Amino acid sequence: SQELEQSPQSLIVQEGKNLTINCTSSKTLYGLYWYKQKYGEGLIFLMMLQKGGEEKSHEKITAKLDEKKQQSSLHITASQPSHAGIYLCGADRTYKYIFGTGTRLKVLA
Amino acid sequence: ETGVTQSPTHLIKTRGQQVTLRCSSQSGHNTVSWYQQALGQGPQFIFQYYREEENGRGNFPPRFSGLQFPNYSSELNVNALELDDSALYLCASSSSGTAYEQYFGPGTRLTVT
Repeated sequence: SQELEQSPQSLIVQEGKNLTINCTSSKTLYGLYWYKQKYGEGLIFLMMLQKGGEEKSHEKITAKLDEKKQQSSLHITASQPSHAGIYLCGADRTYKYIFGTGTRLKVLA
Repeated sequence: ETGVTQSPTHLIKTRGQQVTLRCSSQSGHNTVSWYQQALGQGPQFIFQYYREEENGRGNFPPRFSGLQFPNYSSELNVNALELDDSALYLCASSSSGTAYEQYFGPGTRLTVT
C-alpha cells in the first residue's frame, strides 16, 4: 500500500465549482508538498506546508495541514479550465522522497 | 537562471538494451533526484545524488545506476531493459542535499518494446 494516499483518484467538475483533494499519510507528517503536473510533463511546485494547522494560499488554491490526522487538503475555489491536471502530494522521508497516488482533475468549460 | 533540463525528450528501446538519460540541474543546485513515473501512477523515487555521491535509494534493482558530475549534472543508466521500465523519467534538483524545494525537469518518456 502507498504511504501517501490521495482521494479522490479523479474528479470532473464544472467550471466555477469548488473542489477539495485530500492526501493522507500512513506515517507522521513533518511536512508536505503539493505539486501540479500537466499530463506527461514535469511537476510544478505549488506550495509546502511544514507545521500542523498551517494554511497557505496561492491565487485560488488553498492547502492545509492537519498533523494529528496525518492529512492535508488542497482546496480550489471557483475552478477554471487552467486548473486541470494531476495534483500530487509529496513528503520527505529520510534520504528519499515519496509521492501520493495523484488526483486527476478535469474542469468542464 | 536556467531551469532543470532533461534529454532526450523521448526514447524507444528494445528489451535487453541499455539506456542513458541525462539531466542538467538548475544553476546553484548540488542535489539531483531521479524518479520513475509509470502511466497513471505517482512518481517513484529511484535515487538521489548529492555532491557526486549517492545519497539515498528507493526500491529499484542495481541495473538502475547513476552518476553525478562535478558540474552537478547527472545521468541515469538502466541496463537490461524490461517492458515494465517503460515510463516517464523525471529528474529534480535542489540545493540542500535533501528533496526540500525540488525543481523538476520536463521528463524523458522511455518506451521499451
